[in-house]
Amino acid sequence: GAGVSQSPRYKVAKRGQDVALRCDPISGHVSLFWYQQALGQGPEFLTYFQNEAQLDKSGLPSDRFFAERPEGSVSTLKIQRTQQEDSAVYLCASSLWGSGRTNYNEQFFGPGTRLTVL
Amino acid sequence: AQSVSQHNHHVILSEAASLELGCNYSYGGTVNLFWYVQYPGQHLQLLLKYFSGDPLVKGIKGFEAEFIKSKFSFNLRKPSVQWSDTAEYFCAVNAWTGKLIFGQGTTLQVKP
Repeated sequence: GAGVSQSPRYKVAKRGQDVALRCDPISGHVSLFWYQQALGQGPEFLTYFQNEAQLDKSGLPSDRFFAERPEGSVSTLKIQRTQQEDSAVYLCASSLWGSGRTNYNEQFFGPGTRLTVL
Repeated sequence: AQSVSQHNHHVILSEAASLELGCNYSYGGTVNLFWYVQYPGQHLQLLLKYFSGDPLVKGIKGFEAEFIKSKFSFNLRKPSVQWSDTAEYFCAVNAWTGKLIFGQGTTLQVKP
């Protein structure tokens, strides 16, 4: 496919469970971003990868959140010991270039994973 | 810290009415500005963007936005809305770090 894909589209977890969310960026895109969108809010930045390097993780809300992109393509966002406040839509976006040229980068968004923690 | 403020949270218009959605940002340096749209059941899509040059930018579907640096504003406009414009609209700013800072969003409901 030509766009960013994410899986699963919906995830229901019991409080305390671990979850893993996957993002397949557009092929060849260097930059990958994760955002969290709570109900009724705009997306909020979580973390940024340039290829396999995690250059910015300033938005990760706690050490329960972990992201990786080991081969510079697919990325996984893992949330350990989920809490109710983790319920949100998790968005992935990719862009063609890396930092230094990011000001000219359009970010293409995936459909998101809606996580509900019971 | 950078922030984006969207003043209108929920707007209801009739078809053919004119639209203006407000967006203000706080950041002292060079920024790039964006409007994204999210139609019901779809993912975020870029409407238009401003990087430099002409402060009046035109996007898809007849939308335009004007960057006013002195007012730190980037308001979205459309002369005549259609029912199909019903969606959520997000203003965003992108500084040198690459990440997007989004506003809270504006839900636009267009009545046929």
